[in-house]
Amino acid sequence: EPEVTQTPSHQVTQMGQEVILRCVPISNHLYFYWYRQILGQKVEFLVSFYNNEISEKSEIFDDQFSVERPDGSNFTLKIRSTKLEDSAMYFCASSEFGSLNGYTFGSGTRLTVV
Amino acid sequence: AQKVTQAQTEISVVEKEDVTLDCVYETRDTTYYLFWYKQPPSGELVFLIRRNSFDEQNEISGRYSWNFQKSTSSFNFTITASQVVDSAVYFCALFLRGGSEKLVFGKGTKLTVNP
Repeated sequence: EPEVTQTPSHQVTQMGQEVILRCVPISNHLYFYWYRQILGQKVEFLVSFYNNEISEKSEIFDDQFSVERPDGSNFTLKIRSTKLEDSAMYFCASSEFGSLNGYTFGSGTRLTVV
Repeated sequence: AQKVTQAQTEISVVEKEDVTLDCVYETRDTTYYLFWYKQPPSGELVFLIRRNSFDEQNEISGRYSWNFQKSTSSFNFTITASQVVDSAVYFCALFLRGGSEKLVFGKGTKLTVNP
């Protein structure tokens, strides 16, 4: 069964450093998403991406965040200057256009900012 | 506004008991989908079920069953004869068509099944 792959599974970074979280969506999917889950809390939508541009972003997704699809397979989330409160699990997801059958989450990247 | 409420923060049961996890949603849309996900201690999100707003039939899958009632905006999840491996956080989520197609999650219910 096709999977959404996220790397790394766990990343530790110092406050103020830049991090890039990587995702490989399912190959025929057209919509891509990032969600965040602070430890012990609910999963929150960050951003959706379609046709090489952001289609929607939440209030959380401020100027320190950016997303990119640098090639035909990867989808990245960059946090420019990490803060302690950015520590969370970050989930990537992808879906087919106009269909829910393929709304699939990756296994997540646990980001720890120290 | 779209919102999902899971009023039960934590539930603890003894193995073999039945347990129901509640989910109440709010939306003005007539076309929407409801999901349940399981999040085990390892952290990944495991898809359990998707139900669209036009299909109010209850569904059973093994020990799992779901009761969808549009009249009360509820989509409750029952585990029959619970097992220790069912221990996890369970999230209910609402999906809206059009626009970004994002999922709106509830806060989750932590289920602990004790032997």
